Amino acid sequence: ETGVTQSPTHLIKTRGQQVTLRCSSQSGHNTVSWYQQALGQGPQFIFQYYREEENGRGNFPPRFSGLQFPNYSSELNVNALELDDSALYLCASFPTSGRVSGANVLTFGAGSRLTVL
Amino acid sequence: GQNIDQPTEMTATEGAIVQINCTYQTSGFNGLFWYQQHAGEAPTFLSYNVLDGLEEKGRFSSFLSRSKGYSYLLLKELQMKDSASYLCAVRARNRDDKIIFGKGTRLHILP
Repeated sequence: ETGVTQSPTHLIKTRGQQVTLRCSSQSGHNTVSWYQQALGQGPQFIFQYYREEENGRGNFPPRFSGLQFPNYSSELNVNALELDDSALYLCASFPTSGRVSGANVLTFGAGSRLTVL
Repeated sequence: GQNIDQPTEMTATEGAIVQINCTYQTSGFNGLFWYQQHAGEAPTFLSYNVLDGLEEKGRFSSFLSRSKGYSYLLLKELQMKDSASYLCAVRARNRDDKIIFGKGTRLHILP
């Protein structure tokens, strides 16, 4: 059983550029959530995808967008990067929405650390 | 709206016991999670509570009171490797089942 994998692990961009981050969910997990974690803070919910559709969104502007593919992998796109977008971006997956149990927990990838200069 | 509160930092001594509290206000409730996160690493799952009471797992225990919107994580026989951030997270009972995190509690263990 493979875990959640993210790429790239680190990247540096300049203000105004665009970035795409990628995530492969854990086998059997069809829901993917993306979080932004600034240094010293908890993860902030960006959005969630289920069956290739966004089905939940946090308080982030439209320049944060995403996709989910038929194999449940996902992308996070950020346009017009700002300095405050510098953070660790975490992808997490879990099995289908619905019955929740101790086994159906969010499994996180190692994250993509974005630095905006 | 949703709000999750936990202390920013705590310090404890190796071998001791520490309790990290979490209070929450959410639109519906469908479970509370505790995650551990070491610096520079991804969060890892510690515990899950959906019913009131205490769940024990080795040195770690988690308690939930749904009527009070309150949980705590209890760490016993503290070890230096327990120095980390501890994240309280709540799954709301709504269409999207999204999980919202608190800001985390940084736990420092002193020898």
